[in-house]
Amino acid sequence: KAGVTQTPRYLIKTRGQQVTLSCSPISGHRSVSWYQQTPGQGLQFLFEYFSETQRNKGNFPGRFSGRQFSNSRSEMNVSTLELGDSALYLCASNWDGGYEQYFGPGTRLTVT
Amino acid sequence: KNEVEQSPQNLTAQEGEFITINCSYSVGISALHWLQQHPGGGIVSLFMLSSGKKKHGRLIATINIQEKHSSLHITASHPRDSAVYICAVPMGNDMRFGAGTRLTVKP
Repeated sequence: KAGVTQTPRYLIKTRGQQVTLSCSPISGHRSVSWYQQTPGQGLQFLFEYFSETQRNKGNFPGRFSGRQFSNSRSEMNVSTLELGDSALYLCASNWDGGYEQYFGPGTRLTVT
Repeated sequence: KNEVEQSPQNLTAQEGEFITINCSYSVGISALHWLQQHPGGGIVSLFMLSSGKKKHGRLIATINIQEKHSSLHITASHPRDSAVYICAVPMGNDMRFGAGTRLTVKP
């Protein structure tokens, strides 16, 4: 089985722009979770999607949003980028939330 | 106080040594995850456990729900075990992570 894939792997954006990151889960997995990792804050949970619905949400501002498509692929969007949004964004998938998660390689976003 | 505390923060060991990494959390949970992150950034889920003990090869994870504590042990450590080890616990609708333990195993 192919693993979780994330595109793009690296991205450089300017403050004020918006960005969309994509995550393709392992075939058959219906839950996709997104995480942000920064040197200062470590790993933080953004949100989880299951069957095209946001099921859980972490403590992030509304500039961070996501969606999931019928094929379980997920996108996350960050609008009005700030320097502090520079981070590694990871997605993880599993069959149904409560099970062991499989992580993608991450998208490294740099905001200048 | 962080809701998920890991110790130690950094750990250097000689190849072959027995390693223990600890994780304590502050609220009741249904399960706890141990993750491994290599220098390139990729994360691998090592264990998800809700009680007792699990073993994969040289890795052993234990959890004591009453004491709100989990340990990750590595037997016969090897330089390829060098990585950051992170524990994670679901809390309500959120997932909280420890700050990680950076393990370096020297040959």
